[in-house]
Amino acid sequence: SAVISQKPSRDICQRGTSLTIQCQVDSQVTMMFWYRQQPGQSLTLIATANQGSEATYESGFVIDKFPISRPNLTFSTLTVSNMSPEDSSIYLCSVDYLGTEAFFGQGTRLTVV
Amino acid sequence: GENVEQHPSTLSVQEGDSAVIKCTYSDSASNYFPWYKQELGKRPQLIIDIRSNVGEKKDQRIAVTLNKTAKHFSLHITETQPEDSAVYFCAASGEGNTDKLIFGTGTRLQVFP
Repeated sequence: SAVISQKPSRDICQRGTSLTIQCQVDSQVTMMFWYRQQPGQSLTLIATANQGSEATYESGFVIDKFPISRPNLTFSTLTVSNMSPEDSSIYLCSVDYLGTEAFFGQGTRLTVV
Repeated sequence: GENVEQHPSTLSVQEGDSAVIKCTYSDSASNYFPWYKQELGKRPQLIIDIRSNVGEKKDQRIAVTLNKTAKHFSLHITETQPEDSAVYFCAASGEGNTDKLIFGTGTRLQVFP
């Protein structure tokens, strides 16, 4: 299995500021994924973080709002920029390990005030 | 792109009864269908999955069935226990690979003693 460490686990931020979430995996993985889970809702894919190229964003998500870095095969960051209360959610990173199972980080619970 | 619908949104059963959750998907190219259990405040955990070359898979009290022609798959939990209470999400692989998952809307299962 893959062990994923996600930081921070939670944060309370002022509107208009930005927060960067880190995701570290204990194994090299080809693709990492970022999801958003709004309160009481399902998981929505934000983007796929590709090593060595720009992230691929899903409909409704843009790079200016959610810039992503993927400097190597074990690490990725997601930044939530210019935050508003509507960005209050849980953000989760995920990796596909050996094409058999998707593992999730423990999530970052973000509250924007 | 892929779209996954899940029913019911809530399900209450007596301990010992069976529970069935159903999902339909839109993309005929999808070939990987996992089910996740998410307890309150925790990350989603894979409980069972099925690939398109298999019609049914069972793991103790949990089983999943897949009908590729009709594009639907179901989770069956037998002899339910209070610790089965959680939110369950189905998912389908977008673009025909195991990496990018599109999730259903979730089912909140409550098992009453």
